[in-house]
Amino acid sequence: KAGVTQTPRYLIKTRGQQVTLSCSPISGHRSVSWYQQTPGQGLQFLFEYFSETQRNKGNFPGRFSGRQFSNSRSEMNVSTLELGDSALYLCASSLVGSSPYNEQFFGPGTRLTVL
Amino acid sequence: DAKTTQPNSMESNEEEPVHLPCNHSTISGTDYIHWYRQLPSQGPEYVIHGLTSNVNNRMASLAIAEDRKSSTLILHRATLRDAAVYYCILYSGGSNYKLTFGKGTLLTVNP
Repeated sequence: KAGVTQTPRYLIKTRGQQVTLSCSPISGHRSVSWYQQTPGQGLQFLFEYFSETQRNKGNFPGRFSGRQFSNSRSEMNVSTLELGDSALYLCASSLVGSSPYNEQFFGPGTRLTVL
Repeated sequence: DAKTTQPNSMESNEEEPVHLPCNHSTISGTDYIHWYRQLPSQGPEYVIHGLTSNVNNRMASLAIAEDRKSSTLILHRATLRDAAVYYCILYSGGSNYKLTFGKGTLLTVNP
């Protein structure tokens, strides 16, 4: 069974630009969550999509948005990039939705560098 | 808000047990404790989770203090492949669930 895949793996953008990251969950998984990982703040939850609906979101500005398609693939968009958006963006999928009772499966991440 | 505290780093020898602590003194009664680990250049990997009782699986054991203000992840026999950053995460359930991440403990395993 293929794992969670994220594309691209590396990305370099300049301030003010926008970026779209893609995540393909494990086959059959309906939930996709996004996380930001930086050396300073560590891991932070961005949002979760389940059956094409945003189910929960963390404390990030509106420049961060996402969506999920009918095949459960998800995209995350960051507009008007700032230097502080440089981070590893991780996507995780789960079968029935993120909950305290089950595990999530993470992809390898997309390393975004903003210059 | 709940908070988790972990040591920045720990060191162990191969084939010896490792006890990774996590303090979560402000945990609420319904918060689950999850542990994930992250190997270099990879995404986090699920290790174990629990609520009140100690838990065991093929990877590790989770010992939860009676007052739930701390927990310990136990690797029974460390291998070189266990070298990773281990994250303690509190998971508050409900529709607007909240995740509280620890900063992680970098585990070094010496051969």
